[in-house]
Amino acid sequence: AQKVTQAQTEISVVEKEDVTLDCVYETRDTTYYLFWYKQPPSGELVFLIRRNSFDEQNEISGRYSWNFQKSTSSFNFTITASQVVDSAVYFCALSEAQVGGTASKLTFGTGTRLQVTL
Amino acid sequence: EAQVTQNPRYLITVTGKKLTVTCSQNMNHEYMSWYRQDPGLGLRQIYYSMNVEVTDKGDVPEGYKVSRKEKRNFPLILESPSPNQTSLYFCASSLLLQGPGEQFFGPGTRLTVL
Repeated sequence: AQKVTQAQTEISVVEKEDVTLDCVYETRDTTYYLFWYKQPPSGELVFLIRRNSFDEQNEISGRYSWNFQKSTSSFNFTITASQVVDSAVYFCALSEAQVGGTASKLTFGTGTRLQVTL
Repeated sequence: EAQVTQNPRYLITVTGKKLTVTCSQNMNHEYMSWYRQDPGLGLRQIYYSMNVEVTDKGDVPEGYKVSRKEKRNFPLILESPSPNQTSLYFCASSLLLQGPGEQFFGPGTRLTVL
C-alpha cells in the first residue's frame, strides 16, 4: 500500500531563512507520481509540482526547489529566503500507477505547517 | 473561468439525515475526486473517478457514496451521516496524464453532523 510521511508537523522560521520540508514515501510500484500542494491560511489548495518516478532531476522554480531521491524514497521541498507569504500548510502526495500505466488513488501526507515570522 | 464548484459551502445537519454535496467542473477533466480534511490527519481521499461511470474507493470510503453520470459532475452522498463525518470536504478534478495530473480543488464544504 502507498504511504506518505511528513514527519515535521510544524516549522517556524524567521523571514529570509531557508527551510526544507521533508517528505518520505512508500510504494511497491516502479512507476508513480509525486506532488506538493500548498494550503495558505485562506484555505484553498494550490498545486506546486508534479514529478514522475522516472525523472530524478531536481527542479527549481524561483525560491522553490525540490530534491527527489529514489534511493531514500524522499521528495523534499526547500524554500530559499523564506517570506511571510510562504506561511501555509504544505502537503506532499503520492499516486501509484495502476495496470496499463494509468494511476488512480492519491495519498496525501499529514502536512507540515510552516510559520514564517518577521 | 476554469473552476471547480462545490455546494453547499457550509452545512449543519443531524445524524441520519441523508445529504448530497455537489461538485462540478468546467475543464472537461477525466479525473475527479473527493477528500476530507481533518486536523492532524491531512487530506484523505474518499472516492475517485477516472471517467464517466468509473469510480473507485480511496482510503476512507466507508459511509459515503458517489456517482459519475456526467463528466462534469461528481456528487458525494452521505446516506446516513454520523458525527464522525464532521469534516472539511474538498472536491478536485484533473486531467488524466498516465496518472492524476495537477489537481484543481474546489473551495471546500464544511460539514457538521450533530
